[in-house]
Amino acid sequence: ETGVTQTPRHLVMGMTNKKSLKCEQHLGHNAMYWYKQSAKKPLELMFVYNFKEQTENNSVPSRFSPECPNSSHLFLHLHTLQPEDSALYLCASSHPEGGTGETQYFGPGTRLLVL
Amino acid sequence: AQTVTQSQPEMSVQEAETVTLSCTYDTSESNYYLFWYKQPPSRQMILVIRQEAYKQQNATENRFSVNFQKAAKSFSLKISDSQLGDTAMYFCAFMKPAGNTGKLIFGQGTTLQVKP
Repeated sequence: ETGVTQTPRHLVMGMTNKKSLKCEQHLGHNAMYWYKQSAKKPLELMFVYNFKEQTENNSVPSRFSPECPNSSHLFLHLHTLQPEDSALYLCASSHPEGGTGETQYFGPGTRLLVL
Repeated sequence: AQTVTQSQPEMSVQEAETVTLSCTYDTSESNYYLFWYKQPPSRQMILVIRQEAYKQQNATENRFSVNFQKAAKSFSLKISDSQLGDTAMYFCAFMKPAGNTGKLIFGQGTTLQVKP
């Protein structure tokens, strides 16, 4: 049990669909992150939220829309995706005041396939 | 911009032996964090070890230890007494502290296979 959960674990969607990825952390952290992991590429940071406020958008296309209603929950809303968006999407959280500095703890990921 | 390089795409080691994974990074910062993460076939990203740049002492965590050479910008991971469960992809990552949140910059990863 890592304390960070993600649902669904697997998702197949068409390019015209709308879906959402959910992340929940049970660690009492204040910051949450979305990363994208594509084959043959290093992990890429997408978004950062700190105390529910977005502090980083790493030039992510608008077809990805994040939402952070509170410090424990993070969503990634998907619409009109492209096949090249197929990847593993990882959520992470951190709590710099918790004695662990800014160490990020990851969820198990959602494997997304866009057809 | 910071970069992280892992020059060994794949490595293998016999069970119970020792293996060292290499990582170099480029930064002009003096204060930062370095991490090794492990990603087994389950795809769960698991923290292995962490090093603060201001600490001269190399971090250790049970069978895992690092060789941190700040001047050379090198951060290698040594796994002693390798176990089958150590089979995974290992990522080196750099973070520059930035208030309450930091951006992790990952290397390309090294796939490690532990053979029985």
